Amino acid sequence: EAAVTQSPRNKVAVTGGKVTLSCNQTNNHNNMYWYRQDTGHGLRLIHYSYGAGSTEKGDIPDGYKASRPSQENFSLILELATPSQTSVYFCASGPGLGGTETLYFGSGTRLTVL
Amino acid sequence: AQSVTQPDARVTVSEGASLQLRCKYSYFGTPYLFWYVQYPRQGLQLLLKYYPGDPVVQGVNGFEAEFSKSNSSFHLRKASVHWSDWAVYFCAVSMSWYNQGKLIFGQGTKLSIKP
Repeated sequence: EAAVTQSPRNKVAVTGGKVTLSCNQTNNHNNMYWYRQDTGHGLRLIHYSYGAGSTEKGDIPDGYKASRPSQENFSLILELATPSQTSVYFCASGPGLGGTETLYFGSGTRLTVL
Repeated sequence: AQSVTQPDARVTVSEGASLQLRCKYSYFGTPYLFWYVQYPRQGLQLLLKYYPGDPVVQGVNGFEAEFSKSNSSFHLRKASVHWSDWAVYFCAVSMSWYNQGKLIFGQGTKLSIKP
């Protein structure tokens, strides 16, 4: 079964601090994604990656960086966290086969920026 | 601009009753449409997906959805709901055939079940 693990599950950060959210997948999928979920907005795409060393901007990349050092790991980095970045963040992976993509989601990280 | 609208933020149905969750999309081109479900304290899971072809798509756990190009809709249906269907349901459209993980999601519909 496809497995996507996020850490931490919950995080409280201070405004202006640096936050790193981590994601690991054991599916050997090429593509990985970071989405955030806010009430009234559904999920919105922040960054994604086609493989190790690749990162691409999604729909709302401002204030976020991403890093894909290996096939398995994909991090989301908030260099200077702001209260507007308080949200639930989901990582997902997909095989990247074109036309047949199914995303497998982690359980989410709840981030609170004070 | 491409968008997905789920007009009902909350729906409550009795156990055993039929269900329809509405989804309207706005997309220029051939849409690839999805329904995902989020159970409490979990990530999202795929229920079903539509590729051009048969407008009625069968999914897991007795769910199905019908694509209508004329109405720009992709409504989700189930003949008889179970208490375990209590969850949030998201409709989504892919912006790219090549990368169908780049999704635009609707706001979600929270489904509650009355015993």
